[in-house]
Amino acid sequence: EIVLTQSPGTLSLSPGERATLSCRASQSVSSSYLAWYQQKPGQAPRLLIYGASSRATGIPDRFSGSGSGTDFTLTISRLEPEDFAVYYCQQYGSSQTFGQGTKVEIK
Amino acid sequence: QVQLVESGGGVVQPGGSLRLSCAASGFTFSSYGMHWVRQAPGKGLEWVAFIRYDGSNKYYADSVKGRFTISRDNSKNTLYLQMNSLRAEDTAVYYCAKDLQLWGSGYDAFDIWGQGTMVTVSS
Repeated sequence: EIVLTQSPGTLSLSPGERATLSCRASQSVSSSYLAWYQQKPGQAPRLLIYGASSRATGIPDRFSGSGSGTDFTLTISRLEPEDFAVYYCQQYGSSQTFGQGTKVEIK
Repeated sequence: QVQLVESGGGVVQPGGSLRLSCAASGFTFSSYGMHWVRQAPGKGLEWVAFIRYDGSNKYYADSVKGRFTISRDNSKNTLYLQMNSLRAEDTAVYYCAKDLQLWGSGYDAFDIWGQGTMVTVSS
């Protein structure tokens, strides 16, 4: 099973700042089958990025994904108030596993 | 609009059974693979099971294999999860989710999620 480790656990930032979230896999993720989701309290997750770098429908361009192999990054270029949430990475190249999440909180 | 609506959650004793349903609308249900994903209170996401668009292939997480069964009725646009021999550690919100791509084999991101249904296993 591919284990995904997200860092940091919590990111404390102010609106307008840049957020950089990391997702590291225990082994290479085939074909960059890596996705990112945003989850707010009491809500279902929302797909942001798939294929490591493709934005899902309706996702603002301040969200971007990069990486390959075992190291992936989600970048939020300028945090908006609605971006404070928990973010999960997911690999779907070998069964399906999720990272433990990174909470982006208001500083 | 594209929508998934889960139902069937509730409180059940350890060793009991429960059947979850997920009603789909707004897209061609029979063309997409479907998943169940769960989230224990205050915890992260755990993939549970997948069924191919035509029901021909099914995959399960090791934690539920032999106890849970995923199925679908394409004529009713509905996904199911039959949960038997329930344990306290199965307590979670259960989400159904749709594959992003058509005709997939389960190796895909999930672009549509339901609102979730809570399952509590407790005596």
